[in-house]
Amino acid sequence: AQKVTQAQTEISVVEKEDVTLDCVYETRDTTYYLFWYKQPPSGELVFLIRRNSFDEQNEISGRYSWNFQKSTSSFNFTITASQVVDSAVYFCALSDPYGGSQGNLIFGKGTKLSVKP
Amino acid sequence: EPEVTQTPSHQVTQMGQEVILRCVPISNHLYFYWYRQILGQKVEFLVSFYNNEISEKSEIFDDQFSVERPDGSNFTLKIRSTKLEDSAMYFCASIYLGVGYGYTFGSGTRLTVV
Repeated sequence: AQKVTQAQTEISVVEKEDVTLDCVYETRDTTYYLFWYKQPPSGELVFLIRRNSFDEQNEISGRYSWNFQKSTSSFNFTITASQVVDSAVYFCALSDPYGGSQGNLIFGKGTKLSVKP
Repeated sequence: EPEVTQTPSHQVTQMGQEVILRCVPISNHLYFYWYRQILGQKVEFLVSFYNNEISEKSEIFDDQFSVERPDGSNFTLKIRSTKLEDSAMYFCASIYLGVGYGYTFGSGTRLTVV
């Protein structure tokens, strides 16, 4: 069965520290998509990244970077030089292949990141 | 940038009442979804909708729930007789052709059943 595990429930760092949020997934399919979303205190889901299973290149976007490793079924997210505005709940998600091309999303339980000044 | 619009942002209703949550997906998107997030928990899939019919639904989506796209632009979620445990944030989402094109989520409706 498809599953996403975010083992870190809460992380607290001091501003300017680097922080890595872990995501481990399980799927039987060879074609799938992985996502990261940010949920600030206001509650909306903010899209951060989408990665397909055939693209294992790491990606960097400003202070954000993602490390996708199929060998360990992990898709970890690193924030460099964290800021108070990064405080949020971060969700990793996997597309459900049995939803066909529609790809219903299976979310992890989220990691609450608190960045203190 | 196109947005998925949800109304209302917050709704309070009495147990047993019917509620309708409204969503306006992005105009050229073809697949529509409702997801639910109970406070402090993960986001869970409820239902997907394509070509004017439900294409998939989760165990959560029981007979109390229904969806429709009444006029080609709105996409609604109806809860027939609300229960306390229906209190949650409900997110609407749409995608263009497939998940590879990425999801666009609305900002959510917080439903509180009292």
